[in-house]
Amino acid sequence: EVQMLESGGGLVQPGGSLRLSCAVSGFTFNTYAMTWVRQAPGKGLEWVSTISTSGGSTYYADSVKGRFTISRDNSENTLYLQMSSLRAEDTAIYYCAKSLHPGDSLRGVFDYWGQGTLVTVSS
Amino acid sequence: EIVMTQSPATLSVSPGEGATLSCRASQSISNNFLAWYQQKPGQPPRLLIYGASTRATGIPARFSGSGSGTEFTLTISSLQSEDFAVYYCQKYNNWPVTFGQGTRLEIK
Repeated sequence: EVQMLESGGGLVQPGGSLRLSCAVSGFTFNTYAMTWVRQAPGKGLEWVSTISTSGGSTYYADSVKGRFTISRDNSENTLYLQMSSLRAEDTAIYYCAKSLHPGDSLRGVFDYWGQGTLVTVSS
Repeated sequence: EIVMTQSPATLSVSPGEGATLSCRASQSISNNFLAWYQQKPGQPPRLLIYGASTRATGIPARFSGSGSGTEFTLTISSLQSEDFAVYYCQKYNNWPVTFGQGTRLEIK
């Protein structure tokens, strides 16, 4: 059974930093690209970032480029999102998501999602 | 960046009836790399359809996807109570991945 558990969310002041984690089990982690998607309260889904199987390639939405860093530890089956220079508009539930297809040729469709972790940026 | 526009924003349908949800892309989606997700309150999204028309594992046959280029459709036949939710389309042919704003399917 695939399990994905996000952690690290919380309340942070504007300009602050936070690191999210997503611990996974139930599949061969190092063979799937992984992604973070966020959802502001009452709003739709917004893709944030994707990382390739090895971690050698990363992709970011313009809204977070230069402020967020995605990474993974394949030995620990864990995905990370380091967030810095946080803004009020970063307030959202952050979901980690697993790519449907193994490998790195098609990474943008997601078949398993965690329950999400809430990040609130406020003074 | 390709913009995905879903219509209608809200659709009111009676249980047992069918529903048709639309998704339009501002540019053609190559290889029909278009997915549909369902999201219920307090839950993460659930993958329904990928490749515009392929049902994901475990998705009932009453869900079907169609379309190509810039126009895509999700059809739900004979709505069940558990189908009332928000539906998102998403294109994934290139970066950035983008989602539509969602269609809320509500009970009439």
